[in-house]
Amino acid sequence: TQLLEQSPQFLSIQEGENLTVYCNSSSVFSSLQWYRQEPGEGPVLLVTVVTGGEVKKLKRLTFQFGDARKDSSLHITAAQPGDTGLYLCAGRNTNAGKSTFGDGTTLTVKP
Amino acid sequence: DAGVTQSPTHLIKTRGQQVTLRCSPKSGHDTVSWYQQALGQGPQFIFQYYEEEERQRGNFPDRFSGHQFPNYSSELNVNALLLGDSALYLCASSGDTGSPLHFGNGTRLTVT
Repeated sequence: TQLLEQSPQFLSIQEGENLTVYCNSSSVFSSLQWYRQEPGEGPVLLVTVVTGGEVKKLKRLTFQFGDARKDSSLHITAAQPGDTGLYLCAGRNTNAGKSTFGDGTTLTVKP
Repeated sequence: DAGVTQSPTHLIKTRGQQVTLRCSPKSGHDTVSWYQQALGQGPQFIFQYYEEEERQRGNFPDRFSGHQFPNYSSELNVNALLLGDSALYLCASSGDTGSPLHFGNGTRLTVT
């Protein structure tokens, strides 16, 4: 069974601070996705990383896929209250339809 | 362009009852997956439908069943509801295996 562990589980910071959240697995995934979910809504895809060592940037968000494709990190620079939400990572394998999700990091950014 | 739509948004049922949840995929998508998200946890894969057949299934009992219609919409049925079935049920559609998932806003099921 493939599992994804996310840390920290909860994170509360002040506006303007930087933060990093982590997603780790003992298994290799063909691709890894990061989603953000707000209360009462479904997850929204932020990025997909596929290649080991890959780094993708989305405005103030930087996503990295580990060289061995077992772990990933999400770094947010100068966090804003609008970044508040549940950040989920999910792994997918080639030719498999399902995504395996971690339990997420709940981020609160205080003004 | 309508995204994934789910109905109803909220539902309250009594233990032992049966429930049917509905999902319409994003336009152009032919694959529908269902996930269960318990409070404080990430979504757990229930099953996936493609070409009106169950293509893959997660670790859920037979009380959970589904259906996909020719127009690609889908239903999730849960029989003999248990208190532990209380959760947010998410539907996600995609174009094909490996393409990004697009999620609906879910149905919040409460079993009392």
